[in-house]
Amino acid sequence: NAGVTQTPKFQVLKTGQSMTLQCAQDMNHNSMYWYRQDPGMGLRLIYYSASEGTTDKGEVPNGYNVSRLNKREFSLRLESAAPSQTSVYFCASLRDRAPQPQHFGDGTRLSIL
Amino acid sequence: GEDVEQSLFLSVREGDSSVINCTYTDSSSTYLYWYKQEPGAGLQLLTYIFSNMDMKQDQRLTVLLNKKDKHLSLRIADTQTGDSAIYFCAETPGGGADGLTFGKGTHLIIQP
Repeated sequence: NAGVTQTPKFQVLKTGQSMTLQCAQDMNHNSMYWYRQDPGMGLRLIYYSASEGTTDKGEVPNGYNVSRLNKREFSLRLESAAPSQTSVYFCASLRDRAPQPQHFGDGTRLSIL
Repeated sequence: GEDVEQSLFLSVREGDSSVINCTYTDSSSTYLYWYKQEPGAGLQLLTYIFSNMDMKQDQRLTVLLNKKDKHLSLRIADTQTGDSAIYFCAETPGGGADGLTFGKGTHLIIQP
């Protein structure tokens, strides 16, 4: 049972480089999410997609773009990486709505030099 | 705006009970969750409670909700070394498909 799969697990970028983080879920969930986790800050929502074909901004969307490629896949793109984007990025999915829980991937650890 | 507050650290002796506290500000919060994160891993759902409930028990875990004070707590009975992790409180205002609002997490440290 794969659940939510994120690739890559680790990445180091130089300032100004671009990168796409991939996320796929095999649970037939409708909603998908991208969060970032920084030390002492908890998780903050970047973007989410409540259903295939829709995306919405979260708390910290600046510097990021997303694509809901199909029901399974939701990608996060950094067009011009900045050191402030060094973080651990988590993808999550949700079948429909609360109280069903969000299921999380294992994270992508991204360092921007 | 929405805000979820937690203490950053809690230290308990193995075998004692751990009580992790959380306060939230959004009065429209419908569901409140507790997630556990072990080092280098993603988030694992522990339990959740609906806002019209006062208490929920699940094996060693007891969740208490004081809606008037907007205070949520997670009690772990007979704390074990495997309970060492970061515990996040989270809310979902309105109960829809919007993202979760997380607290900063409480590091639970187990003393032998």
